[in-house]
Amino acid sequence: YELTQTPSVSVSPGQTATITCSGDKLTDKYVCWYQQRPGQSPVLVIFQDRKRPSGIPERLSGSNSGNTATLTITATQAMDEATYYCQAWDGSSVFFGGGTKLTVL
Amino acid sequence: QVQLQESGPGLVRPSQTLSLNCSFSGDSVSDSKYYWSWIRQPAGKGLESIGLVYPTGSITYNPSLRSRVTISLDTSNNQLSLRLNSVTAADTAVYYCVRGSPGDYGDYSFYFDYWGQGTPVTVSS
Repeated sequence: YELTQTPSVSVSPGQTATITCSGDKLTDKYVCWYQQRPGQSPVLVIFQDRKRPSGIPERLSGSNSGNTATLTITATQAMDEATYYCQAWDGSSVFFGGGTKLTVL
Repeated sequence: QVQLQESGPGLVRPSQTLSLNCSFSGDSVSDSKYYWSWIRQPAGKGLESIGLVYPTGSITYNPSLRSRVTISLDTSNNQLSLRLNSVTAADTAVYYCVRGSPGDYGDYSFYFDYWGQGTPVTVSS
């Protein structure tokens, strides 16, 4: 199973960033999103398609429909600059997308 | 607060065996409801799952590594271990010990909520 992400996305501060993750019938799976800043371990920001762990701001939201899962960051801030990875489980293995580097210009 | 700490040699010779341990601590970490995993990341690249320990105790491995990898979990001593045989330069990466928690829909909805700081491993002669 394969998850495909756009390698990079740029956004201006205060604008909305949209990061997508594509996979065959992805809507049949639950998708998680992880944020990784340079030199740090990944941090869970979305699980079960759209749930936020405690401490994750409401500006980050997730959805999953058809073949595409989406991480949306509204009112983007400089602190959101990071690489974001989607992840799913296909019934036997864990898969990660290749990551999307979000640049806040 | 849950803490995971990886340990092991930072340098492994080609064709040798890479062995890493992860010590975990915190509230209820030994609870049998959790998932445990090793995930690695080559420098400048993405995340790759090595294997997953389910709450039942069963273990699955990345098909591309299955012939060379063994993961074991010792909940009585709060340790997760990794052994990777016959390493090559392609196994050079940061290796993460990770805990997963169950979601609302069984195995299909678990998520990785705690990550260790990662330990870098270089395969070189």
